[in-house]
Amino acid sequence: EAGVAQSPRYKIIEKRQSVAFWCNPISGHATLYWYQQILGQGPKLLIQFQNNGVVDDSQLPKDRFSAERLKGVDSTLKIQPAKLEDSAVYLCASSLTGQGAGEAFFGQGTRLTVV
Amino acid sequence: QKEVEQNSGPLSVPEGAIASLNCTYSDRGSQSFFWYRQYSGKSPELIMSIYSNGDKEDGRFTAQLNKASQYVSLLIRDSQPSDSATYLCALHTGTASKLTFGTGTRLQVTL
Repeated sequence: EAGVAQSPRYKIIEKRQSVAFWCNPISGHATLYWYQQILGQGPKLLIQFQNNGVVDDSQLPKDRFSAERLKGVDSTLKIQPAKLEDSAVYLCASSLTGQGAGEAFFGQGTRLTVV
Repeated sequence: QKEVEQNSGPLSVPEGAIASLNCTYSDRGSQSFFWYRQYSGKSPELIMSIYSNGDKEDGRFTAQLNKASQYVSLLIRDSQPSDSATYLCALHTGTASKLTFGTGTRLQVTL
């Protein structure tokens, strides 16, 4: 079974530039999560989709971050414009719904450095 | 009050000992609880899930849940150096709710 795919693995941008991350979840997983993990901290949920609907985006900085999940499969997370404090690893994860919800499988993450 | 609280550690245990990792949570409506392991520079991976009060054992790992005390723990028996990692506690308040993580406890197993 293929895992969660993310790209790119690494990205370095200057502040005020824009950046986009892509995620392809495990086939059949209706729930998709985007987390931000700053070094030394736990993952912070940015947005959670179930199919192509948003379950929670309460911690997504909507003035600069946006995310979409077209057709309930792939997802893209965008930051525009980036700030220095956005430097982090961005993790995408997916899970089944129902009893399997919460048993999430993570991609390798994208390490973003904003300079 | 944080939704999920963990001691950041590091928790240092000698090889062969039992490591005990603890987690408390604030939302009494929480239904599902998970332990994830994260090696340095890697992504989290699920190691245990527990849905009802009591103990759940899987190999050297035992998860314990006490909903009345809002407390979940992970015991690692016969700790090995390969168990050295950060252990993240996570919870769901319902199957359609968000998956929330704690800050993690760093475990060091010494030779």
